Amino acid sequence: GAGVSQTPSNKVTEKGKYVELRCDPISGHTALYWYRQSLGQGPEFLIYFQGTGAADDSGLPNDRFFAVRPEGSVSTLKIQRTERGDSAVYLCASSLFAALPTTGELFFGEGSRLTVL
Amino acid sequence: DAKTTQPTSMDCAEGRAANLPCNHSTISGNEYVYWYRQIHSQGPQYIIHGLKNNETNEMASLIITEDRKSSTLILPHATLRDTAVYYCIVRAGNQFYFGTGTSLTVIP
Repeated sequence: GAGVSQTPSNKVTEKGKYVELRCDPISGHTALYWYRQSLGQGPEFLIYFQGTGAADDSGLPNDRFFAVRPEGSVSTLKIQRTERGDSAVYLCASSLFAALPTTGELFFGEGSRLTVL
Repeated sequence: DAKTTQPTSMDCAEGRAANLPCNHSTISGNEYVYWYRQIHSQGPQYIIHGLKNNETNEMASLIITEDRKSSTLILPHATLRDTAVYYCIVRAGNQFYFGTGTSLTVIP
């Protein structure tokens, strides 16, 4: 597809379980971002990749959260030992370039809604 | 940390201009102002961005004050489809801080 694709669109899990959320960015986009959005709040930055490497992971809330992008394209956000407070919409965005403000437009996916019971 | 302040909500009559203000008093000289909007249950959508000069595109206009401490997004002829949450963002390096945005309701 032409846009950023995220799967699953909805995920319901039980407290303590492991979850993986997938993001397929726009082809050719080198920068990839993960955000988390809780109800009534704006998106909160989690991590940013430039190519295969995590250039900035300062937004990850704790060591239960981890993200990879092994081939510089698809990325997976992994959450271990999920807690009810992890319930949110997880948004992925990609960008052609990240370091040049004039071309820094982010293209967002529709998000993966995670519910932890 | 959000670096911007926006009103929580605004209404605008259909067909009229919607003017959405944003304060970013701590903005640095090389930080850009971006605007995104988010329609219910969708991912945020880019609208416009600028550094110092006013900008215009097919969606909106961005007016930045001379001291760069505030800006206004203008939707010249609001339609019902413009009802959304509008985020004013100061881009710091590679991070986009979204804040809580302004919920704009366009009224028929």
